[in-house]
Amino acid sequence: KQEVTQIPAALSVPEGENLVLNCSFTDSAIYNLQWFRQDPGKGLTSLLLIQSSQREQTSGRLNASLDKSSGRSTLYIAASQPGDSATYLCALFDYKLSFGAGTTVTVRA
Amino acid sequence: DTGVSQDPRHKITKRGQNVTFRCDPISEHNRLYWYRQTLGQGPEFLTYFQNEAQLEKSRLLSDRFSAERPKGSFSTLEIQRTEQGDSAMYLCASSSGESSTDTQYFGPGTRLTVL
Repeated sequence: KQEVTQIPAALSVPEGENLVLNCSFTDSAIYNLQWFRQDPGKGLTSLLLIQSSQREQTSGRLNASLDKSSGRSTLYIAASQPGDSATYLCALFDYKLSFGAGTTVTVRA
Repeated sequence: DTGVSQDPRHKITKRGQNVTFRCDPISEHNRLYWYRQTLGQGPEFLTYFQNEAQLEKSRLLSDRFSAERPKGSFSTLEIQRTEQGDSAMYLCASSSGESSTDTQYFGPGTRLTVL
């Protein structure tokens, strides 16, 4: 079974600070990797999808990298805002998603 | 595009009762997935459909669980003889199915509480 780990479980930063969220996995194989955002009590919103052949993806203030050799992905959020407060989940993707437990982010105004 | 919808959004039931949830995927999406999420954890895969065919079921899906997608459009997930351990958020997602790695779009979920 694929194991996906996200550390830390929770993170609190002042507004404007850059966020660095980590995701590690045990089996790099040929998986793609996807980052999601989840607001309390809500469904999931896809943020970035990195194909297995890619090293990174960028969208606005978000940048995600993928290092299959070390089994790691990192999500960077530049210049954090209170609206970025949410739980961020990474998932390995090979037709079904295998999720980590998430990192809950609080951005303090 | 109205997105993935799920009904009901919340369900409270007593142990031993049966419950049924419905998921309406994005129109023309061929693949439909069910996941379960407990508090503080990421979602876990339960099952998925390609059109009306159920192609995989997780070991998490005990005999008390059954899912259908009779016409390849909406899907239902039924839990018989509910137990307190079934309390969770049940999430549905759909994708176009053009490739196995198409983005999955999630619904808002159905939160089940078993008393």
